[in-house]
Amino acid sequence: DAGVIQSPRHEVTEMGQEVTLRCKPISGHDYLFWYRQTMMRGLELLIYFNNNVPIDDSGMPEDRFSAKMPNASFSTLKIQPSEPRDSAVYFCASRRGSGSLDTQYFGPGTRLTVL
Amino acid sequence: QKEVEQDPGPLSVPEGAIVSLNCTYSNSAFQYFMWYRQYSRKGPELLMYTYSSGNKEDGRFTAQVDKSSKYISLFIRDSQPSDSATYLCAMVESWGKLQFGAGTQVVVTP
Repeated sequence: DAGVIQSPRHEVTEMGQEVTLRCKPISGHDYLFWYRQTMMRGLELLIYFNNNVPIDDSGMPEDRFSAKMPNASFSTLKIQPSEPRDSAVYFCASRRGSGSLDTQYFGPGTRLTVL
Repeated sequence: QKEVEQDPGPLSVPEGAIVSLNCTYSNSAFQYFMWYRQYSRKGPELLMYTYSSGNKEDGRFTAQVDKSSKYISLFIRDSQPSDSATYLCAMVESWGKLQFGAGTQVVVTP
């Protein structure tokens, strides 16, 4: 199993540009999570999907952030327009099952730098 | 005040020493407790979990929970340089949402 796949691994962009982060969850997993990790705030949940449907987006910081999951094997997190304070590592994670102890498997992350 | 507090470190120990990590939390609704390990430039990976007060062992790792004090710990015995990583505690709410601590960076020196 290839695990959760994220692309790109690194992204450097200028303020005001649109940024799209991509995620391929583990096959058969029905939950997908997007997290953001910074030194100041740690690891924060932004949004999660169940069976491709967004369930809770209360962690999305602003309307500049949007996420989609058009099918079970692909999700995107878009930032438009990007700002320097969006610089962080963005992780995608997936999970099979709704049990509280079902393991979330994290991808390697996308390191975003907004200049 | 954050719901989960964790000292970010860094914590530096010599090889073979016991590493002691801990987190405190304020939300009594947390039912399950997890420890994740994150190597540099990698995603977090689940190390172990527990859901009741007391100890749980897995090889060199021991997780301890004290619900009355809202305090959890992770101990690493006979630490190795390969244990150098950031360790994040995570509290689980009812439907499986994870609330992470800030993470403690551990450095084990040969």
